[in-house]
Amino acid sequence: KAGVTQTPRYLIKTRGQQVTLSCSPISGHRSVSWYQQTPGQGLQFLFEYFSETQRNKGNFPGRFSGRQFSNSRSEMNVSTLELGDSALYLCASSELGQGSTGELFFGEGSRLTVL
Amino acid sequence: AQKITQTQPGMFVQEKEAVTLDCTYDTSDQSYGLFWYKQPSSGEMIFLIYQGSYDEQNATEGRYSLNFQKARKSANLVISASQLGDSAMYFCARGNTGNQFYFGTGTSLTVIP
Repeated sequence: KAGVTQTPRYLIKTRGQQVTLSCSPISGHRSVSWYQQTPGQGLQFLFEYFSETQRNKGNFPGRFSGRQFSNSRSEMNVSTLELGDSALYLCASSELGQGSTGELFFGEGSRLTVL
Repeated sequence: AQKITQTQPGMFVQEKEAVTLDCTYDTSDQSYGLFWYKQPSSGEMIFLIYQGSYDEQNATEGRYSLNFQKARKSANLVISASQLGDSAMYFCARGNTGNQFYFGTGTSLTVIP
């Protein structure tokens, strides 16, 4: 099985711009969640989607949004970028089926630099 | 509070020796899952081991084992026979509903040849 795929891997934006990150989960996984990782704040939960519905959202401003498509692929968008949005954005998928322990399977991340 | 505490920012271990990475957690839930992940410099988070709160036996996965002490709310990771490839960041995490995982601040492990 292919793993979780995130694109792009690296990107540089300037303040005020917006960015869209993409995530393709492991085949058969219907849950996709997003995390922001920074040296200062560590790993922080952004949101989670299951069957195209956002089930849970972390404590981030409305500039951070996401969606999930019928094929379970997910995108997250950050509008009006700020310097503090520079981070590694990690996508994770989960099986959540019977017998599953619910572990998250992560992609390699999208490293965003805001100048 | 759903805090995960890893008190060791950095650890060193000699190759082929065992090392214990500490993790304590805070929860009022009765049912929960505890996870350990490894993050090499490439950035990808790699799942290592899982412990369910109702599991009576400590989890083991190859060279990884989890020393679970429920009353103390601790879930320490033990890596036996350390290898150079074990050098990485290690994160302890607690799973929650809606796949909202809470992560600790991580421990940087360096294996010395």
